[in-house]
Amino acid sequence: ETGVTQSPTHLIKTRGQQVTLRCSSQSGHNTVSWYQQALGQGPQFIFQYYREEENGRGNFPPRFSGLQFPNYSSELNVNALELDDSALYLCASSLRLAGGPTDTQYFGPGTRLTVL
Amino acid sequence: AQTVTQSQPEMSVQEAETVTLSCTYDTSESDYYLFWYKQPPSRQMILVIRQEAYKQQNATENRFSVNFQKAAKSFSLKISDSQLGDAAMYFCAYRSAGTGNQFYFGTGTSLTVIP
Repeated sequence: ETGVTQSPTHLIKTRGQQVTLRCSSQSGHNTVSWYQQALGQGPQFIFQYYREEENGRGNFPPRFSGLQFPNYSSELNVNALELDDSALYLCASSLRLAGGPTDTQYFGPGTRLTVL
Repeated sequence: AQTVTQSQPEMSVQEAETVTLSCTYDTSESDYYLFWYKQPPSRQMILVIRQEAYKQQNATENRFSVNFQKAAKSFSLKISDSQLGDAAMYFCAYRSAGTGNQFYFGTGTSLTVIP
C-alpha cells in the first residue's frame, strides 16, 4: 500500500452537478497529479499541482479544476458533470526537486464517480 | 505527444511459469523513464519496476525484469515463477526526463494466473 489516500471511495452524482474529490499525498511528496481512468482504459492525465500551482495539464476542459494546499494535499473539482465523466479518478503523489522533473508517482486507491 | 501501446489486452500463465507482457512506445526524445504498474482488482496502482532510458542494463526487481530495447522502442515485462497474486491489470507508462511531468499510459494487459 502507498501512503496516498483519496476520498470518497465512491460517489454518485447527476448530470449538471458539481463534485469535489480529495487526495492526501504520501509523506515527503510535494507534487500531486490527477488521472481519469475510464472502464477498460489506461489512466489519462488531467493535471498536476506543484507548490500550489497547476503545473501541466492534459486534454481536459476548464470545468476540470484543482487546488493544492500548503500541506500538499489536493482537490479535483468537476463542474457541470456529464455522463462521460463517469470513471475512476486516481491521484498520484511524487517528489519533485527544484528545477527538476517529478520522480516516480505513487497512486491512491481512486474515487469511483458515477454520473447518472 | 508520446504514445504507449500494449498490444495484448489479455494474457494468461500457469502458476510457477514465466510470462512476458509487451509494450512499445513512440517518442522523439532521447532521455526518458519507463514504468510498469500493476493494478489488482482492489484497483490501487502499484509500481512494479522502473527503467531509465540512459541505462543500458535492464532493471530487475525480484521475479520481475524488463527487456528494454531502446532502438526498437520496446519495453517488455517478464514475470518469472508466476504467483496467483500476480493476477492484475498491468500498465506500461512513459515519462519524459525533461521538465515535462505528464505520464503517458498504455491501455493495459489483463493477466490471469491459472492454478
